[in-house]
Amino acid sequence: EPEVTQTPSHQVTQMGQEVILRCVPISNHLYFYWYRQILGQKVEFLVSFYNNEISEKSEIFDDQFSVERPDGSNFTLKIRSTKLEDSAMYFCASSESYRDRGYQFFGPGTRLTVL
Amino acid sequence: KNEVEQSPQNLTAQEGEFITINCSYSVGISALHWLQQHPGGGIVSLFMLSSGKKKHGRLIATINIQEKHSSLHITASHPRDSAVYICAVGAIQGAQKLVFGQGTRLTINP
Repeated sequence: EPEVTQTPSHQVTQMGQEVILRCVPISNHLYFYWYRQILGQKVEFLVSFYNNEISEKSEIFDDQFSVERPDGSNFTLKIRSTKLEDSAMYFCASSESYRDRGYQFFGPGTRLTVL
Repeated sequence: KNEVEQSPQNLTAQEGEFITINCSYSVGISALHWLQQHPGGGIVSLFMLSSGKKKHGRLIATINIQEKHSSLHITASHPRDSAVYICAVGAIQGAQKLVFGQGTRLTINP
């Protein structure tokens, strides 16, 4: 069964460092998403990506964040200068569409710990 | 006011019981999603629906668009159903963005 994969599963970094979280969406999907979940809180939308550009982003997704699809398979989230409050579980998801076939498949998540 | 509200926040039941988890939302939506989050953190999509009812195994999801309300039912519950169940909506404006409820923590005791 096709699945979304994410690497690494756990990333520990020092405050101010750059991190790149990687995702491999399902191969025939066209829409890609990043979400995050701070421990004990709701899952929050960060950004959606379609046709090689950002289609929607939340207030959380400020200039410190960027996304890229560097090749035909990977989808990355970069945080340029991490803050303590960036510590969270980051989920990547992909979908074939966002309407009738918008069933989103989630990756297992990357737990980011900023020290 | 939260856009997506779930009830109850926590639910403990005995194996075999019929379970209902409720979700109310305040915005016009294109679709509503029910998700399951396992203790390890992984998220699995269970249902996506925009009208009526869907069934998958022992899980049933219903939605009432007029009342802005959805329910997730589990029949013949089992300890392996223990997880956090999350309701999320895709709004009509910004349909790709999912807005999540706070989740319902379900524990099924043997």
